[in-house]
Amino acid sequence: IVMTQSPVTLSVSPGERATLSCRATQSVRSNVAWYQQKPGQAPRLLVYSASTRVTGIPARFSGSGSGTDFTLTISSLQSEDSAVYFCQHYDAWPFTFGPGTTVDIK
Amino acid sequence: DVLLVESGGGLVQPGGSLRLSCAASGFSFSTYSMIWVRQAPGKGLEWVSYISSTSGTIYYVDSVKGRFTISRDNARSSLYLQMNGLRAEDTAIYYCGRPLQGSVDYWGQGTLVTVSS
Repeated sequence: IVMTQSPVTLSVSPGERATLSCRATQSVRSNVAWYQQKPGQAPRLLVYSASTRVTGIPARFSGSGSGTDFTLTISSLQSEDSAVYFCQHYDAWPFTFGPGTTVDIK
Repeated sequence: DVLLVESGGGLVQPGGSLRLSCAASGFSFSTYSMIWVRQAPGKGLEWVSYISSTSGTIYYVDSVKGRFTISRDNARSSLYLQMNGLRAEDTAIYYCGRPLQGSVDYWGQGTLVTVSS
């Protein structure tokens, strides 16, 4: 199963909404996670089971989707949200990650 | 608090071997499956291997099958990755992690493996 992400780069003004897309080459049901990675750091889990936000993750992050199409939405972008965002499926081995979307602050 | 600390990375020649270790603390290690994920410099993430809590289920990504071996010592709360026959394309930061339903909710800081002559 190959995961693709779009766009490659997203430039958003502070306070605006950012919408990140992830697509699987076949159905992965709701077995998708989203991660945030900042330079020099390990990834941080934001969402699993497509839409379950991890405890402590701000409510402005939300995930949706099932089957082959998934979305991570950052409702009101903050400066600290500048990072690379990866999706990952875990429906069947091998689990795979998407190539990432870089979110820049305008 | 959950803490994962990798060690054992370094510079190795092509064809060489390294053994990575991951020391876990802050949770009941013996009841969790564990994983290794790698990230080539400036690239994306690749799930390398998975081991269940009892070592009864083990998975590898195709690119490392037959060369890498994952293992664990529950008495020592430690995870290992024995890497043999290393290739230039194995150069990456290797992270150990604790899965949450197939995602990874806790990550170590990573250890860099560089394969070069």
